[in-house]
This record gives sequence, structure tokens and C-alpha cells, in this order.
Amino acid sequence: KAGVTQTPRYLIKTRGQQVTLSCSPISGHRSVSWYQQTPGQGLQFLFEYFSETQRNKGNFPGRFSGRQFSNSRSEMNVSTLELGDSALYLCASSQIQGAVNIQYFGAGTRLSVL
Amino acid sequence: AQSVSQHNHHVILSEAASLELGCNYSYGGTVNLFWYVQYPGQHLQLLLKYFSGDPLVKGIKGFEAEFIKSKFSFNLRKPSVQWSDTAEYFCNTGTASKLTFGTGTRLQVTL
Repeated sequence: KAGVTQTPRYLIKTRGQQVTLSCSPISGHRSVSWYQQTPGQGLQFLFEYFSETQRNKGNFPGRFSGRQFSNSRSEMNVSTLELGDSALYLCASSQIQGAVNIQYFGAGTRLSVL
Repeated sequence: AQSVSQHNHHVILSEAASLELGCNYSYGGTVNLFWYVQYPGQHLQLLLKYFSGDPLVKGIKGFEAEFIKSKFSFNLRKPSVQWSDTAEYFCNTGTASKLTFGTGTRLQVTL
């Protein structure tokens, strides 16, 4: 089974631009979560989608948005980029077993904002 | 809300030393606990998980963790570390829709 695939792996943008990151989950996984990883803040939860609906959201500004398609692929968009948005963005797809969320992570997209 | 805290931010051990990384969780109903590992340049991988049952959980690569309810702890252990265990380790807890990560512990194993 193929793992979680994130594209692109690296991105360089300038302040004020917008960016879209893509995530293809493991086949059969319907839940996709997004995280931001920085040296200072660690791993912070952005949002989670399940069956094309945002089910949970972290404490990030509205510039961060996402969506999920009918094939469970997900995209994350960041508008009006700021320097502080430079981070590794991780996507995880989930195998839900009852109330338990077992997440499998992609390699991430490293975003640098100049 | 559920949360976890990891008190060791950076641990340096010699090869063959024993390892114990601390993780404490806040009570929030049903407890689901995980340890993930991130090797340099690689993606996060699940080491082990606890949902219920035997409080001593065994994971991959010789790691184990013990759920101690009275101490709200889920510490990660390994009897003898190897240089290849150099990585960042994350304790986390979660529900069906959200995982909350600890700040991570960077483990450096020296030869």
C-alpha cells in the first residue's frame, strides 16, 4: 500500500503570496489532518477533514484553510503569506478504529517564506 | 481538552545506555496515547500505542511504554539504545479527529 504523499516537497514563496499544498492519503483512509511543525512551536494541529467536511480546527488564523475532495485527497491553502509561516507542513491520514485515530504521516512540505 | 507534556527536551546518551523519556497527560475521559518517532530527514512514524488493556505496551524496534493511570504517565523506555535511535520522539494523545502532540524530545545517541 502506498503511503501518504505530499506535494510539493519544497516551496519558496515571498511575503503576501498564497500557496496550496496537496496531500494524497493512504488508500481507504477517509480522514486527513494537517499539522504545522516549527522548531519553536513543535507540532501544531491545523485542521482535520473527514468525508469532505472539516471536523476539527486548531488555533490558526483564517488565512489557513483547507478542503477535501470526494477521493479523500486534501489541499491546504495559506493566503497572504507571512515570514512566520515558514515551516514543515505535515499531512496525516487516519485509520479510524472506533473512537481511536491512528495517524500515518507524509514526508511533509517544507515552506520557506522570504 | 486533552494535552500531553514532555519534560525532557534534549537527551544525550551513550550507546547501550538505557532510555526513559517522560510523558504526562491530562485527564480528558477516554485515554488514547501514542509515541511517534521522527528520524532525521524522515517522516513521523508510529512507535506504539495504548488504548486499553495491558498497561505495558510493546512497540517497534525494542521500545516499550507503560501506562500508569495513577501518575498520568506514559513513559517510553528502551533497555539499550543504539546510535540509530537518534531521533525526535513525540508523545501524543487524541480523539477520533484530533491528535495533540507534546513538544518532543530530541534524543542523541553517541558512539
